[in-house]
This record gives sequence, C-alpha cells and structure tokens, in this order.
Amino acid sequence: LAKTTQPISMDSYEGQEVNITCSHNNIATNDYITWYQQFPSQGPRFIIQGYKTKVTNEVASLFIPADRKSSTLSLPRVSLSDTAVYYCLVGDRNSGAGSYQLTFGKGTKLSVIP
Amino acid sequence: GAGVSQTPSNKVTEKGKYVELRCDPISGHTALYWYRQSLGQGPEFLIYFQGTGAADDSGLPNDRFFAVRPEGSVSTLKIQRTERGDSAVYLCASSPRVSGTQYFGPGTRLLVL
Repeated sequence: LAKTTQPISMDSYEGQEVNITCSHNNIATNDYITWYQQFPSQGPRFIIQGYKTKVTNEVASLFIPADRKSSTLSLPRVSLSDTAVYYCLVGDRNSGAGSYQLTFGKGTKLSVIP
Repeated sequence: GAGVSQTPSNKVTEKGKYVELRCDPISGHTALYWYRQSLGQGPEFLIYFQGTGAADDSGLPNDRFFAVRPEGSVSTLKIQRTERGDSAVYLCASSPRVSGTQYFGPGTRLLVL
C-alpha cells in the first residue's frame, strides 16, 4: 500500500477553515484516498473518500490534484468539536482504503482553539 | 440504529492471564475486523472475518492471539498469556460487505500489569 505523510499536528481558531494536506507520492493508478476522523476514546469514523478532482459532502471537502500525489482535506468553519485526529489512507478500494486491512499512519492531531 | 459495541470498555489484567474481548457488530454486517491501537499511533489491522470464517489473520502478532465469530455475528478476540506489551486499545469494526465503509466501535482498553 502507498505510504502517506501528513503533519503531526495543527492548531486552528474556531470559525476558520482548516486544510490538512497528505502526501502520497507512490499512489497507484487504482488507489483511492480516504480520510478518517478519530475523537478521544472513540474509534475512527469515515469522513470522505475520493479518486480525483474534488469531492464534497456535508462534513468536508477533499481536493485531489491531477497528479494525485497529494490530497487536501478541507474542514469549513471548524468548531471546538472538530478537535480530533485525522487520518489519510491510500489504497486499492478492494484491498486497502474502503475495504479491509485499512492502513493507518499516525494522523494529524487538530486542536481547535476558542 | 445501534452502532458497533464492544465489551468490556476497560480491562485490567495481570501478566500471564487470559482475556476475552467481545464485539457486537452492526446488525446485518457480514464483514468484521479487529484492530489494535497503541498510544499515539493509528490503528493496526489484526484480523478480518467474512461471515464465520477468518478471511485474513495476517495481522495477528503471534499465536497467543486468536479470534472467533462462530455464528457470523458476535466476535471474540482471545489473548492467552498476556504480556505488558499487549496493553492497547482493541478496536472492532464492521461493514455491510468487504468493500464497504468500516464502522468502528469505541474500543476496549486493555491494561496488562
């Protein structure tokens, strides 16, 4: 599975837009990019998944440039409740992200400050 | 509807003891997964069930770890002769099919003294 690199931590004030970038230089042609969110004392929760360009749902947006070597998770107008660890996963939809044997890195710890 | 539940939420045991951790997946989900998460790390895959059978147990660290899912619903992760290094949060997840989004439970925090 392709390895991912993301910042260890980020701080943001309430109400700001937060962008977390993940590098995946060795992404394969059939790999998808998936983001999970994990609150303290809870299991990870699926946020969003994409293959190319832009994907948006009620929680976040995912921007993927044409070369797909990176992706950016965008959280609009964060609140204190968005404080969590965010994981970027890359893998074949049938053998990695989106399927079994999810491979998590250390994630990005986002702290939202009042 | 009800999510994935795990019991106990916390388990403290002594080195060398045997422990069982239980997972109740979302009703109707055929795929079930176990992960282990150490402090400051992301979850690590342990084993995956499709129905009653273990389809992939490549993540189990050694033969002290074993998991069952006899009726294709509830699963039990069993750890024999526990060691202090087994201390971690054990997460269970389920999905409606093998390629579906995984839904995680809150985990069982295991502490081996």
